[in-house]
Amino acid sequence: EVQLVESGGGLVQPGGSLRLSCAASGFTFSSYLMHWVRQAPGKGLVWVSYISRDGSSASSADSVKGRFTISRDNAKNTLYLQMNSLRAEDTAVYYCARDEPEVGIDYWGQGMLVTVSS
Amino acid sequence: DVVMTQSPLSLTVTLGQPASISCRSSQSLVSSNGGTYLNWFQQRPGQSPRRLIYKVSYRDSGVPDRFSGSGSGTDFTLKISRVEAEDVGVYYCMQGTHWPPWTFGQGTKVEIK
Repeated sequence: EVQLVESGGGLVQPGGSLRLSCAASGFTFSSYLMHWVRQAPGKGLVWVSYISRDGSSASSADSVKGRFTISRDNAKNTLYLQMNSLRAEDTAVYYCARDEPEVGIDYWGQGMLVTVSS
Repeated sequence: DVVMTQSPLSLTVTLGQPASISCRSSQSLVSSNGGTYLNWFQQRPGQSPRRLIYKVSYRDSGVPDRFSGSGSGTDFTLKISRVEAEDVGVYYCMQGTHWPPWTFGQGTKVEIK
């Protein structure tokens, strides 16, 4: 069974940092692209960042570029999102999601709430 | 960036009646390899998104056959042939042809009358 379990969220002050983790199991992690997608309270889904299967290529939305960094450790079957210089508008539930090549995003984690507030 | 526009944004349906959601993209979603990467997701209240349809019309395993996807180019549709109570939630289309960024529609909220 495919499982994606996020951790590391919580309350952080504006300007602070947080690192999210996503532990993957039930599939060959290194064979899949991975994404972070967020959802502000009561709002829709917004793509945040993507990383290639071997971690050699990555991309982020303009709204987080230069502040957020996606990475992965295929030996540990874990995806990360390092979030720096956090702003109130980054408050959201953050989902990690698996992407099957030539098909697209399929499985999602349960989500992790990040609240940026003083 | 490709803009995805869904309509309607809200839909109230009688149990057992059909429902239809439209999704339009600002440019064709046909890729250079001929594939069209348009997916549909369902998000029930308090849950993570779940994919229903991939590549326009392929239904995911375990998805009831009352859900169907169709369309081409820039116009796509998700249809529910007979709405059931468990279908309440928000439905999103998402394109994965022209990336980055991957882009979602605004979401369509489906409620039961």
